[in-house]
Amino acid sequence: AQTVTQSQPEMSVQEAETVTLSCTYDTSESDYYLFWYKQPPSRQMILVIRQEAYKQQNATENRFSVNFQKAAKSFSLKISDSQLGDAAMYFCAYRSARGGSEKLVFGKGTKLTVNP
Amino acid sequence: DAGITQSPRHKVTETGTPVTLRCHQTENHRYMYWYRQDPGHGLRLIHYSYGVKDTDKGEVSDGYSVSRSKTEDFLLTLESATSSQTSVYFCAISGGQGSGQYFGPGTRLTVT
Repeated sequence: AQTVTQSQPEMSVQEAETVTLSCTYDTSESDYYLFWYKQPPSRQMILVIRQEAYKQQNATENRFSVNFQKAAKSFSLKISDSQLGDAAMYFCAYRSARGGSEKLVFGKGTKLTVNP
Repeated sequence: DAGITQSPRHKVTETGTPVTLRCHQTENHRYMYWYRQDPGHGLRLIHYSYGVKDTDKGEVSDGYSVSRSKTEDFLLTLESATSSQTSVYFCAISGGQGSGQYFGPGTRLTVT
C-alpha cells in the first residue's frame, strides 16, 4: 500500500519570504499523480497544485511550485513571496494512475504560519 | 468551485443515536468519497462510491455505512454513534483524468 509522509508537523515563514514544505511517498508504481492541498482556518480543502509522475517538468501555479524528484520519491512544495493568506494546513496526497477508484492517500499535514 | 454541498454543517448528537450526513454534487461525477479528519491523522477514507449503488470500503469503515441511489447524492450513516466518531467529515468528488478531488465544506459532528 502506498504511504505519504510529511515530516514537518509545523513550519513558519516571514511574510514575503520563501518556504518549502516536504513530502515523501512510498510506492511501487511508476505512473501516478501527486497533489498539494491547502486547508485554511475556514476548513475548506483547496487543491493547490498537481503533478503527473510521467512529466519531468515541475508544476507551477503562480507563487506555488513543486520540486518533484521521482527517483527519490520526493514532492516538495515551494511557496514564494509568502502572504498572510498562505497560513494554513498543507496536505500532500498520492493517487495511482491505474484505473479504478481514484482514491487519494494523504499525508498528515504541515501547519504553516506566516509571520508579518 | 465544484458544486458540492454537505448537510448538516454542524451536528451534536448523543451516543447510540443514528446519524446521517448528506453530500450533494451538481457536477455529475462518477466517483464520490467520504473522509474523516482528526488531529494528527490527516484525512482518512471511510467509504467511496464509483457509481449509483456501487460502493466500497475505505481504511476506516467500521461503524459507518453509505448509500448512493442517485448520481448526485451520497449518504453516510452512523448506525449508532459513538464518541470516537466525533470528527469533521468531508465529502469529495473526483474530477477524473488525474485532476484531483474536490471537497465539500465539511460537517463537524460531535457525539456526546
